[in-house]
Amino acid sequence: GENVEQHPSTLSVQEGDSAVIKCTYSDSASNYFPWYKQELGKRPQLIIDIRSNVGEKKDQRIAVTLNKTAKHFSLHITETQPEDSAVYFCAALGQGAQKLVFGQGTRLTINP
Amino acid sequence: NAGVTQTPKFQVLKTGQSMTLQCAQDMNHEYMSWYRQDPGMGLRLIHYSVGAGITDQGEVPNGYNVSRSTTEDFPLRLLSAAPSQTSVYFCASSINGARQPQHFGDGTRLSIL
Repeated sequence: GENVEQHPSTLSVQEGDSAVIKCTYSDSASNYFPWYKQELGKRPQLIIDIRSNVGEKKDQRIAVTLNKTAKHFSLHITETQPEDSAVYFCAALGQGAQKLVFGQGTRLTINP
Repeated sequence: NAGVTQTPKFQVLKTGQSMTLQCAQDMNHEYMSWYRQDPGMGLRLIHYSVGAGITDQGEVPNGYNVSRSTTEDFPLRLLSAAPSQTSVYFCASSINGARQPQHFGDGTRLSIL
């Protein structure tokens, strides 16, 4: 079945710098890759997603890149702000099993 | 536009008790789902629905039932609460698919003693 590995588990960056979180997946048939942001004690929020027919997608300060050959995808946050501090989860949806598998999460801290 | 609304926000149950977690959405989404999140972990799918009258099991369905009589409502029932069901429960809706959650409720924090 699908397996998703997410790195790093914690990330601390200075306000204004960029942050990058990477995920690898095992099922080459996976076709949907969302990223969720979850602040402490709050609901998950879908912040961006990408499908397997696209290599990159951007939404203001957030971008996601997908490398199907290497089976990895990454979240890029530019010009980080204190409100970007949260846990970020990647996920991959396997086409065959139709199971959305989550990464272990990355705790991002933005230092003022 | 309220989005996805869950009640209650907190609940404490004794082992063996039953209860229903309520979920309602006002976006006319066909797809709804229930997830549980244990400390430090991602979400695990309990049950989902692809439309009114249609439900199916997710990855961790044991001990839970669902129904979908209307597009708006998708309640989750705990049949006989067990300590292993202590968790945070999130309801979600989507226009893309039951396994592609877009909008989540605030969650129900459930403790089973």
